[in-house]
Amino acid sequence: EIVLTQSPDFQSVTPKEKVTITCRASQSIGSSLHWYQQKPDQSPKLLIKYASQSFSGVPSRFSGSGSGTDFTLTINSLEAEDAATYYCHQSSSLPITFGQGTRLEIK
Amino acid sequence: QVQLQESGPGLVKPSQTLSLTCTVSGGSISSGDYYWSWIRQPPGKGLEWIGYIYYSGSTYYNPSLKSRVTISVDTSKNQFSLKLSSVTAADTAVYYCARALQRGAVAGKSNWFDPWGQGTLVTVSS
Repeated sequence: EIVLTQSPDFQSVTPKEKVTITCRASQSIGSSLHWYQQKPDQSPKLLIKYASQSFSGVPSRFSGSGSGTDFTLTINSLEAEDAATYYCHQSSSLPITFGQGTRLEIK
Repeated sequence: QVQLQESGPGLVKPSQTLSLTCTVSGGSISSGDYYWSWIRQPPGKGLEWIGYIYYSGSTYYNPSLKSRVTISVDTSKNQFSLKLSSVTAADTAVYYCARALQRGAVAGKSNWFDPWGQGTLVTVSS
């Protein structure tokens, strides 16, 4: 089973700040890494597919990078509505796994 | 626009079987390009993939739950279902259904999950 480890677990940030969340895989997964945003009491929403491809309708301040074992989700110029928990997900091999999540709090 | 909606009992007794159904609207479950998935999230915790099914009936399960899980599909009703047997309090979670794009021609390989249902909370308690 591929283990995904996100860092940090929690971050408190101010609006307009730049945020970087990392996801490290326990073995190489190529670009089969996807990012989701989950707001309280909502289902997860896809942000980034294949490590760096923005999903339709996602604001341009969200971007992704990386391949192999190290991946990054970047949020430029953070907005209040970005308060949420962010998850990475690998689809390289079964069983499908998710990172433990990174909760962003907006100060 | 495809939408998914979970339904089923919100309370299940320990040792019994949890049963949920996901109804797909706005598209056909038989389209052939997708796996139809179940994912759960215990209160305050992260996401756990349970398994998914292809419209033909091929299934892929998380080994951690495989002995207790059955996922089935009813193409005539555009629905797929989850059964989880011998439940305990540890199975208390929000259960989501979601669609996963099939990846190439390799059996069981998928891409991202989109869309997701709104989720349904199932509590295991006597």
